[in-house]
Amino acid sequence: RKEVEQDPGPFNVPEGATVAFNCTYSNSASQSFFWYRQDCRKEPKLLMSVYSSGNEDGRFTAQLNRASQYISLLIRDSKLSDSATYLCVAYTGFQKLVFGTGTRLLVSP
Amino acid sequence: DAGITQSPRHKVTETGTPVTLRCHQTENHRYMYWYRQDPGHGLRLIHYSYGVKDTDKGEVSDGYSVSRSKTEDFLLTLESATSSQTSVYFCAISESSYASDQETQYFGPGTRLLVL
Repeated sequence: RKEVEQDPGPFNVPEGATVAFNCTYSNSASQSFFWYRQDCRKEPKLLMSVYSSGNEDGRFTAQLNRASQYISLLIRDSKLSDSATYLCVAYTGFQKLVFGTGTRLLVSP
Repeated sequence: DAGITQSPRHKVTETGTPVTLRCHQTENHRYMYWYRQDPGHGLRLIHYSYGVKDTDKGEVSDGYSVSRSKTEDFLLTLESATSSQTSVYFCAISESSYASDQETQYFGPGTRLLVL
């Protein structure tokens, strides 16, 4: 079993829709979590950090459920520019990040 | 913009040849990392550095070596490239703090390596 698991998708949604991704992690010692966005053939870029129960930044909301060991990312009012792959990442300490394989989102007009 | 550059951005090489990839940062960050990204796998850590001449192995270090003689440069060397090392290589820097033990990493643009 992978340490961080994500549904690969793709999630196909129309503009304006709300979409949610879940990510599960197996290491209960994971201290903090991140969502990165990666465009095709580009580097991952930090979208949000999640240190406690959750975080909100504009249209994006991340929630952490330590009891069930999952993190979610909610995107409201989807834009065409939100089309990308979203990487779920767990920090397990000692400079070690564990990456999921990503969830692909396609937003259509 | 985290001020990270990687060179070369693309490289094609032959099996058995040595290859060195360079990561350069302008922000004087202490921690630097090398990852590889392959289909079906998340980014996997190859090696990381926590200061000049201070490096440690990551999850997939076999076949790779690193060097850091200056704060701003972190080199990744494939001593004898193999086809299994065909991948996209990303360098990252960290803004981690001992005080908070948080870990936020920022990535360079990547190097696409093809080993024939």
